[in-house]
Amino acid sequence: QSALTQPASVSGSPGESITISCTGTSSDVGAYNYVSWYQQHPGKAPKFIISDVYYRPSGVSNRFSGSKSGNTASLAISGLQAEDEATYHCTSYTTSGTLLFGGGTKVTVL
Amino acid sequence: EVQLVQSGAEVKKPGESLKISCKGFGYDFRNFWIAWVRQMPGKGLEWMGIIHPGDSDTRYSPSFEGQVSISVDRSTNTAYLQWSRLKTSDSAIYFCARSPTYTTGWYGDYWGQGTQVTVSS
Repeated sequence: QSALTQPASVSGSPGESITISCTGTSSDVGAYNYVSWYQQHPGKAPKFIISDVYYRPSGVSNRFSGSKSGNTASLAISGLQAEDEATYHCTSYTTSGTLLFGGGTKVTVL
Repeated sequence: EVQLVQSGAEVKKPGESLKISCKGFGYDFRNFWIAWVRQMPGKGLEWMGIIHPGDSDTRYSPSFEGQVSISVDRSTNTAYLQWSRLKTSDSAIYFCARSPTYTTGWYGDYWGQGTQVTVSS
């Protein structure tokens, strides 16, 4: 099984909005609404920010939102802030009963 | 407060065995899946496998099946990741993460701090 495909890097200026894509297949992202997203700052553990494509846990800023179309899920960050500079990872459950992660996307705030 | 606390950094030689741990605090350990995730230097996350402490139901990624073993000790609320013969390519940071679900959608809502494993001759 290949990893989900994410862009290596995305950048934006403070206050702007950016979107990170996570592309899989009909056997993973396209099969279920079981995509989650994680934020990871350097040297830290990942932090959970979105589950089941859309759902944001309490305590996570509403500037983060998730969506999905076909085999591609997306994470949008609005009102970009310096603290959003991190690597973002997506993951999806698969029809084989396994989990796949994306390669991670480094977000740079210009 | 929910916490997953992992064992400390390890330095090993190729061919040696290793068992690292992940201890849960602040919740009912038996009711949440524990996954193990590898992060090689400068790379993304890789799912290795998962265990349900309640019944020890264990699943492995095809990439890691036969290479590692995942287990749990319910009496100490601890999950383990074990190698019988380490390789230099096993050098990485290993995270544990808990999830309330698996087959109906996995999400790691709490993560351990990570265990650095270095394998070098």
